[in-house]
Amino acid sequence: ILNVEQSPQSLHVQEGDSTNFTCSFPSSNFYALHWYRWETAKSPEALFVMTLNGDEKKKGRISATLNTKEGYSYLYIKGSQPEDSATYLCAPYSGGSNYKLTFGKGTLLTVNP
Amino acid sequence: DTGVSQDPRHKITKRGQNVTFRCDPISEHNRLYWYRQTLGQGPEFLTYFQNEAQLEKSRLLSDRFSAERPKGSFSTLEIQRTEQGDSAMYLCASSLKGIWTEAFFGQGTRLTVV
Repeated sequence: ILNVEQSPQSLHVQEGDSTNFTCSFPSSNFYALHWYRWETAKSPEALFVMTLNGDEKKKGRISATLNTKEGYSYLYIKGSQPEDSATYLCAPYSGGSNYKLTFGKGTLLTVNP
Repeated sequence: DTGVSQDPRHKITKRGQNVTFRCDPISEHNRLYWYRQTLGQGPEFLTYFQNEAQLEKSRLLSDRFSAERPKGSFSTLEIQRTEQGDSAMYLCASSLKGIWTEAFFGQGTRLTVV
């Protein structure tokens, strides 16, 4: 079973604050890392797919970095808005030739107006 | 194609009954995943298919759970002799094969076992 750790488990911030979360994963047999956002009453949606060490992806106010050698990824949100409230999930691709998505428990972000 | 669809959206069943859920993936997607999510947890991997072949089933999954994907199109997940601990959200996702391809999720089936 792949050990994927996300921290913090939950986070409350004020509108306008910037914040970041961490996803830790085993650095061996690494193929790729996915970040997903899961809003209440909706389906999880992909934010980023990252494969290379040092990768940095950006979508609007959200960005992510990847360190495959030490086994972690950071997700940053600049100037949080109430609509950013969601659970943020990371999923490393693992499993050798039969690779599959294995999710962490997620970070629940609540942005207060 | 409107995305991944799951049916039913909600299911309430009595303990000991069998239930079956259906997932219709995006038509050109050859990978299909089933996950289970309980309160405070991320999606827990149950099983996945590459076309019609079931490639892996979670070791945490009891023999009461079975999944099929005949002809590599829709998939069904059956739970036999349901228990209260089976109450959860069951999510289906599909993707193209490849580590760089994102998965698309259905809206899930919420199972409540009473």
